[in-house]
Amino acid sequence: KNEVEQSPQNLTAQEGEFITINCSYSVGISALHWLQQHPGGGIVSLFMLSSGKKKHGRLIATINIQEKHSSLHITASHPRDSAVYICAASSGYALNFGKGTSLLVTP
Amino acid sequence: DTGVSQNPRHKITKRGQNVTFRCDPISEHNRLYWYRQTLGQGPEFLTYFQNEAQLEKSRLLSDRFSAERPKGSFSTLEIQRTEQGDSAMYLCASSRTGGRTEAFFGQGTRLTVV
Repeated sequence: KNEVEQSPQNLTAQEGEFITINCSYSVGISALHWLQQHPGGGIVSLFMLSSGKKKHGRLIATINIQEKHSSLHITASHPRDSAVYICAASSGYALNFGKGTSLLVTP
Repeated sequence: DTGVSQNPRHKITKRGQNVTFRCDPISEHNRLYWYRQTLGQGPEFLTYFQNEAQLEKSRLLSDRFSAERPKGSFSTLEIQRTEQGDSAMYLCASSRTGGRTEAFFGQGTRLTVV
């Protein structure tokens, strides 16, 4: 099984701060997913990447395949970014999830 | 709405009762997954269908759990003789076939066993 570790577990930031969430995994993957989960449970896919870097609005995701590490960055954070951010590593059909990072952005 | 749909959103049941959840995937997606998520944890894999075939089941899926996808479209997850430890969020996701395909998640069904 692919062990997926995220850090930090909890994160509080002030509005406008640059935020980084880290994810590491133990075995080779076909893709790394970053997901957002709001209170109430629904999960939204933010990124799926297998190499390099992707950007969508204020969100940036990077992956280093050799180091088995990915980061999710949020620039100019806003209170509406408050959510749980989960990384998941896929190998074939299986998704192995990290425990999530709970982010709170205060005004 | 063409996303993944799960029903019901919330279910409260007494211990020992049976419950059934439904997932309607995105129509052209032939892969369907069930996950369980408990408080403070990431989702854990329960089972996976490719079309109507159930190809993988986790050890988490005890004999009280059964999942079906009879026509390769919607899926049901049934829990018999519910226990308090079954209280969790049950998430469904669907995707196309392929190693680098994005999975789309439903809103989940939150089960509370009292």
